[in-house]
Amino acid sequence: EADIYQTPRYLVIGTGKKITLECSQTMGHDKMYWYQQDPGMELHLIHYSYGVNSTEKGDLSSESTVSRIRTEHFPLTLESARPSHTSQYLCASSPGGGSGANVLTFGAGSRLTVL
Amino acid sequence: LAKTTQPISMDSYEGQEVNITCSHNNIATNDYITWYQQFPSQGPRFIIQGYKTKVTNEVASLFIPADRKSSTLSLPRVSLSDTAVYYCLVGDIRGSTLGRLYFGRGTQLTVWP
Repeated sequence: EADIYQTPRYLVIGTGKKITLECSQTMGHDKMYWYQQDPGMELHLIHYSYGVNSTEKGDLSSESTVSRIRTEHFPLTLESARPSHTSQYLCASSPGGGSGANVLTFGAGSRLTVL
Repeated sequence: LAKTTQPISMDSYEGQEVNITCSHNNIATNDYITWYQQFPSQGPRFIIQGYKTKVTNEVASLFIPADRKSSTLSLPRVSLSDTAVYYCLVGDIRGSTLGRLYFGRGTQLTVWP
């Protein structure tokens, strides 16, 4: 049973559209993350948050933005989608402290295709 | 941020034991070693985590030598469903505001009948 939910699972949209990928977790985790992954390639961290009202950019430059208004919710927004944004986006969460902080729980992913 | 080196791919047959070794020469004192499994079109799934010596759970074992510069994930008696990408990560984000773990390319394990 999934404790972290991503919607939509699949999205095909045209260039220039604004999109929001939703991510919600029910575990009360403080930390949340967005990774981007192309097929057969490594995961790249694009955004993370270690609590409400805190967000940071990750290692990969991204034109997306995130917000963390509630602990359980960490949406990712693209203001104007382009074909280069075509990828799989993975949301994850982890506890704030203890050895469990290194144990990330991932959602099923949102596969975005921009035409 | 400690990075890891692991084989790009490995092949095995059903019923065999598979050992995947990961090098992490720059591991820091407080870093933990964590392994994940990823199937196509899914997010990675936590397998096992350790700090030193040996850790075992219902899925795998993790062997860590005293110098902690490498670790070995051991999968006993693999089946076709163990075909996946396996990632080795090192890091310490316990209470840290840095909050990042580095996923490399991982090891593609293919299990044959």
